[in-house]
Amino acid sequence: AQSVTQPDIHITVSEGASLELRCNYSYGATPYLFWYVQSPGQGLQLLLKYFSGDTLVQGIKGFEAEFKRSQSSFNLRKPSVHWSDAAEYFCAVNNNAGNMLTFGGGTRLMVKP
Amino acid sequence: NAGVTQTPKFRVLKTGQSMTLLCAQDMNHEYMYWYRQDPGMGLRLIHYSVGEGTTAKGEVPDGYNVSRLKKQNFLLGLESAAPSQTSVYFCASVGNLNQPQHFGDGTRLSIL
Repeated sequence: AQSVTQPDIHITVSEGASLELRCNYSYGATPYLFWYVQSPGQGLQLLLKYFSGDTLVQGIKGFEAEFKRSQSSFNLRKPSVHWSDAAEYFCAVNNNAGNMLTFGGGTRLMVKP
Repeated sequence: NAGVTQTPKFRVLKTGQSMTLLCAQDMNHEYMYWYRQDPGMGLRLIHYSVGEGTTAKGEVPDGYNVSRLKKQNFLLGLESAAPSQTSVYFCASVGNLNQPQHFGDGTRLSIL
């Protein structure tokens, strides 16, 4: 069965600092991977996705993620964090059948002024 | 373009009561999903549907039922609510396999 692990439950960074959120997955075939962001009281918004091809994918709001098959990882990065990036971030893998997503437990990002 | 709309947004129930959550999408999507979100556990799939008239169990289906009588609507029912079902419920839909799912804003359900 597929699974997704986000090792960091909470992360605090200073505004303007760089950010990396970790995601590790377990899946037998080539995964389809996603990062979603959730602001308080809101639904999930797609940041970026990886299906195939270039392993470095660009998303909205200045985010990018790199797929590393050898490490089973899909880490999310941003070079300079803004206060508005404070939210909860979820990594997810698609099982390629029925389009079902398995989510990680989420990482809550706090941004210090 | 409304996307995915969930009603109600909030509800408080007493143990043993029943209720139905409605999810409506206006994107003509084939696939629809119900998730529950609990702290530290991400989103877990309750039930899903791959088309009108079809439903299937997800990861945590016990205590819930669903129906997809119309393509645009996916209903989640709790026949006898329990405190363990206190959660935030999200509906999602997608048109084609391997495309990102579109999420509603959630329903916050508390069961006393």
